[in-house]
This record gives sequence, C-alpha cells and structure tokens, in this order.
Amino acid sequence: EVQLVESGGGLVQPGGSLRLSCAASGFTFSSYWMHWVRQAPGKGLVWVSCIHSDGTKTKYADSVKGRFTISRDNAKNTLYLQMNSLRVEDTAMYYCTRSSSGTYWLWGQGALVTVSS
Amino acid sequence: QSVLTQPPSASGTPGQRVTISCSGSSSNIGANAVDWYQQLPGTAPKLLIYSDNQRPSGVPDRFSGSKSGTSALLAISGLQSEDEADYHCAAWDDSLNGHVAFGGGTKLTVL
Repeated sequence: EVQLVESGGGLVQPGGSLRLSCAASGFTFSSYWMHWVRQAPGKGLVWVSCIHSDGTKTKYADSVKGRFTISRDNAKNTLYLQMNSLRVEDTAMYYCTRSSSGTYWLWGQGALVTVSS
Repeated sequence: QSVLTQPPSASGTPGQRVTISCSGSSSNIGANAVDWYQQLPGTAPKLLIYSDNQRPSGVPDRFSGSKSGTSALLAISGLQSEDEADYHCAAWDDSLNGHVAFGGGTKLTVL
C-alpha cells in the first residue's frame, strides 16, 4: 500500500526540541521531493520545508529557518524534521507529503506537536 | 495571513451546486497551476483537483475546477452530506523562494 506514516509528535516546552519521522512505503521514495506542511489548530495549511529526492537541496519557510532541519534517509525510506528552539506558535499538526510537479499527491496522517509550558 | 484568499465558510443544501473562490496574484495563480485539497473532519488533506481542472482517479466528476487570471474556482454539483469538509486551494508562488502557497481554507457546511 502506498502510504506515509508520521511519528514523533508530542508535548514539549518552549525552547525544547523534537524530531519527527515519516516512514514511506509502497513507492520509490528516492524519486520524489518530500515536504513538511503544518496546520495550527483551526487554521489553514502552511508549507514548512522541502528536500530534493537525493537530499542535496533543502528549503525552509522564513518562520522556521535556522531552527528546523529537514533530512532524509533513502535507504530507510524515511523523512525527518528536526525541530529545535520550539515556540508556542509552532504548535500544529505536521504532515509529510510527497510532491510531483508542485502538487501534493500523497499525505501522511499527521503528527501533533504541542509546545506549551 | 494566507497568501491566497478564500472565504472562511460556504454552505448549501443537498443536490445544490456550490462554488468556492480562491484569489491570488500574478506570482502564484496568475503564473502557475492551482490545486485543491479536501480535508474531511479529523483527517489529513487529500488531493481533489490538480492543474486547475484535472481530477485524480477516484474523484467524482461532481467536483470541478476552473481558473481565470489570478482567481480560481472550485465547483461542487449535486452536493452530498459527505462533501462537508474544509477545502484548501494551493498554487506554486514564484516570489516565495519557490514553494507552494495555500489559501486559508473554506469550511463547507451541508445544511
């Protein structure tokens, strides 16, 4: 089955760190750009970061630049998002997505990150 | 504040045709294709329309998309109760370091 499964979400204090993982299966993971998109409670979708299929190129939204790091392990078919210096405003559901020609064809079920003291 | 502008809510009765608008600019909708995502309550978004007006396999032809200039429109005909969801428009934005811009989402209520 073609799917993406996120893990690693949870409750963390402001200033803390968390690492999200996204396990891919059912398709050739190493052929696709992968993205993280987040959705704060009751709000719209916001692009966070993306990484080239071979991991050599990365991009970040200004709001997370310098704090978040996207990476991937194509041998393990897994996408990661290392989140440091977390802020209350980073509280959101984080989705990993597979993109092709700028369209998000496949979404994971999401990982909830709550930043609160 | 989302880059693309959608109405926060829309509603219709079963069988009715409803439309949801998405307004942008020359750097996003005016220059690139528009996608629409459907998000049923408590679930992840799902691709509904891509490249302005194309439906992925499995999406009913009750759903259609169109674009004119810097605006896009999602139309749902023969509205059904299971269509109650949030709908998000998206388009690549050439001015945003090369990534996708989203609308704020429209909550569709089936009365």
